Order: sequence, then C-alpha cells, then structure tokens
Amino acid sequence: GAVVSQHPSWVICKSGTSVKIECRSLDFQATTMFWYRQFPKQSLMLMATSNEGSKATYEQGVEKDKFLINHASLTLSTLTVTSAHPEDSSFYICSASGLAAGNEQFFGPGTRLTVL
Amino acid sequence: GENVEQHPSTLSVQEGDSAVIKCTYSDSASNYFPWYKQELGKRPQLIIDIRSNVGEKKDQRIAVTLNKTAKHFSLHITETQPEDSAVYFCAASRGGNEKLTFGTGTRLTIIP
Repeated sequence: GAVVSQHPSWVICKSGTSVKIECRSLDFQATTMFWYRQFPKQSLMLMATSNEGSKATYEQGVEKDKFLINHASLTLSTLTVTSAHPEDSSFYICSASGLAAGNEQFFGPGTRLTVL
Repeated sequence: GENVEQHPSTLSVQEGDSAVIKCTYSDSASNYFPWYKQELGKRPQLIIDIRSNVGEKKDQRIAVTLNKTAKHFSLHITETQPEDSAVYFCAASRGGNEKLTFGTGTRLTIIP
C-alpha cells in the first residue's frame, strides 16, 4: 500500500506555544488529506478535510483559527496547533488519499502531542 | 451527517473461538465500509473493507457482511489468535475522497 509519514512522532510543549505537525505522502499524490484527533481510549474524530490548493473544511466544533491546516502541495499537509493548552494533548493522525492510490485513505503513524 | 454506532465496546473470547463486532450507520448515501485494527499508540490498519454493491467479503479468517437495507455491517473473525487482540473500528463513507466516520471502537481480547 501507499506510504504516509508524519513528523514529529511525538512532541512536548509548554502551554501557549504553537506546534506544527507535518503529514507527507511518500509515493503518491494526495489530492485530499484528513486530520484526525484521538483521545485516550476513544475513537478517531475527524477535525478537517483539506484538498490541495484550497482551504480546509473543518468539522463542527473544531476551531479553524486554533488548528491551522495548510495543504500547499500534493505530498504535504501541515497542522499547526496554535496557543496549545493541556486539553489539546492528544494523538493526531493524518490520512491521505489520491486517485493513484485507489482513493483509499492511508494513515500516517500519528503524532503524540503533550502540552504541559 | 453520518453517525456510526458500534457494539460491543469490549469483547473477550477464548482463543480459537469466533468474534463478531457489529456496526450501524445512518447515512443511506454511504457506500464504503472499512474495518480497522489499531494497536496501542499505532496507526489504524485496514484489515478488510466492503462496498455497497456486495453483501459479503472474506479474507482468510476475516469476513465482513453488509445489510444495506437495515444499514448495518459486521466483522467476523474466526479461529481467533492472541495476536488478534487490539481495538477494532468500523467506519463508513460515501466513497471516493469522502471523509470517514468512525465507530466508537471495540476492544477485543483473546484469552489464551
């Protein structure tokens, strides 16, 4: 299957700082990327959908000014958590899909964010 | 929007027995139903999926059935092994590049 990477795999930051997470499709062009958040012992909750070259579509209840998503190329999307607080501590997972990959969603390995 | 319910939330079965996990969905336009296995701290792994033009699909010890009329689909694992222990999620989408809506998950424990 197609390969999706995420960086960093984990990050610890102080409250009030911003954190950027990268999601890359390594061997296919991802026309669409999705960002999920998963709290401990809970399901994956979609935060936003981003299509290359256009603004992300955020799910209800997700603050677009707090979670900035950029999908500037067909292989890279970034999620920036601005002014992070302890309640933002979570497992952030991206997925990517594209025509060449059969439109199946391929998941990145996730980023564990801990805000102190 | 789509709502996916999943049962049970936890399931313990004796090694070698079968496990069944059930999901229901609400959006009649959904036509793609994948199942994922997730181990602690890892990404979800696609184990099997089914599209709405078929009623059943099997891959070795894993099978999925779909009842589009009743809007429910199930995962069946036969001859369970300890390595099957994990959290399993069902999901539904309208296919293509559409978003996935996940069920709440089932923690499956295989008792040796």
